[in-house]
Amino acid sequence: DQQVKQNSPSLSVQEGRISILNCDYTNSMFDYFLWYKKYPAEGPTFLISISSIKDKNEDGRFTVFLNKSAKHLSLHIVPSQPGDSAVYFCAASLLSGNTPLVFGKGTRLSVIA
Amino acid sequence: KAGVTQTPRYLIKTRGQQVTLSCSPISGHRSVSWYQQTPGQGLQFLFEYFSETQRNKGNFPGRFSGRQFSNSRSEMNVSTLELGDSALYLCASRQGLTNTEAFFGQGTRLTVV
Repeated sequence: DQQVKQNSPSLSVQEGRISILNCDYTNSMFDYFLWYKKYPAEGPTFLISISSIKDKNEDGRFTVFLNKSAKHLSLHIVPSQPGDSAVYFCAASLLSGNTPLVFGKGTRLSVIA
Repeated sequence: KAGVTQTPRYLIKTRGQQVTLSCSPISGHRSVSWYQQTPGQGLQFLFEYFSETQRNKGNFPGRFSGRQFSNSRSEMNVSTLELGDSALYLCASRQGLTNTEAFFGQGTRLTVV
C-alpha cells in the first residue's frame, strides 16, 4: 500500500513557464513533507519542505503548497529552467516521531528550451 | 563539511553471491537509512540505524541486512543475490531521528548478472 503517491510519472514544460508537480498521501498522521530532486547517477538532493502547520512555503523559484484536508501537496517551479529537468520525489514523515521518510515514485520533469 | 560517502559506486555480482555496501554519514549525524531505487518504484525504504541499533525496517526479505558502527558508519549486506536485486542503493544520513531532512549519498549501482 503506497502511502505517498505521485500519479504523474512524467511532465514536460516549456522554459519560462510554471511547472506543477503533485503528490497525494494517505496517512493523515504525516505532518512533515519534503521535495527532493534527483539527477541521473546522483543521489537525491533536498529542495524544500513544509510542516503541517503551514499551507505554503516559498524558497526562490520553488513553492510548496499543502492542502491537509485533501491530503495533497504540490511543488510549483516558476519560471522553469532547463536545469530543472530531473526526477522529483515527494516524501512524508512524522516530525515528532521515530519514522523514516516515505517517498513517492517520482515525477520526471523535462523543461524544454 | 564532507557529504555522505558511499562505496563502491558501481558493483557487478553474479546470482547467488553476496555483497556488502558501505556508507559514511555526514560528521555528527547519527542516523543512517538505506533505500533501494529501481525504475518505476521510487525509493523504497530498507532500514534505518541510529546509535548502532536498527530503529525501523522496511518490507524486504531477510537476505537484506545492515549494521551500524560506533562511528555511525553503516554497512548493508545482501546475501544470495537475485537478478531483481539490481538497483541503485542509496544511503541517507540525518542528525537524529526527529530531524527529518535527510542528506543522500551518490549511491551504489549494483548489477546482478
